[in-house]
Amino acid sequence: DVKVTQSSRYLVKRTGEKVFLECVQDMDHENMFWYRQDPGLGLRLIYFSYDVKMKEKGDIPEGYSVSREKKERFSLILESASTNQTSMYLCASRPAGTGGTNEKLFFGSGTQLSVL
Amino acid sequence: SQQGEEDPQALSIQEGENATMNCSYKTSINNLQWYRQNSGRGLVHLILIRSNEREKHSGRLRVTLDTSKKSSSLLITASRAADTASYFCATDAGRGSTLGRLYFGRGTQLTVWP
Repeated sequence: DVKVTQSSRYLVKRTGEKVFLECVQDMDHENMFWYRQDPGLGLRLIYFSYDVKMKEKGDIPEGYSVSREKKERFSLILESASTNQTSMYLCASRPAGTGGTNEKLFFGSGTQLSVL
Repeated sequence: SQQGEEDPQALSIQEGENATMNCSYKTSINNLQWYRQNSGRGLVHLILIRSNEREKHSGRLRVTLDTSKKSSSLLITASRAADTASYFCATDAGRGSTLGRLYFGRGTQLTVWP
């Protein structure tokens, strides 16, 4: 089975800190995604990547950056954490292409980040 | 925005009853997917239906798609307490689909009472 691993289940940080959220997948997927999930707002896409060193902005990229130096790892960086970035962060991956099971996303368990 | 909208926001039923959740979306799609999320966890893919399909089954799940109305429904038959979770629909961006991104709705919270 595909495994998407997020490095922390719970994280508490202080305002202004630089925060790294790590995501690793073990199925050689080309595409990786970072979503944040807030009550009443559903999942919103922050950034995604379709290849090593490639990235695309999602719907809410402000205050975030990403890094994809290796195919299996996609990192989300909060340059200077703020209280409004308190949220559940979900990483997902999928293969490139269409058809078959290529189009479904595999999610990690999520990181609940609290910024105090 | 392409974001889907689920209806109802919350649904509470007894074990053995059927649960129906609806999803509406705004633009053309290639496919629509349903995901499930247990409290505090990641999402798990349930079923995918393509734009040229009208109905699909998987175990106790039945999904329908009406592209003329831009809507889908998820039916869970003979529900169990273990089905308690949030359910999300997700759509791609149709012909202009960009690199596999999906647009998620806000979800339906299903509670099944024993």
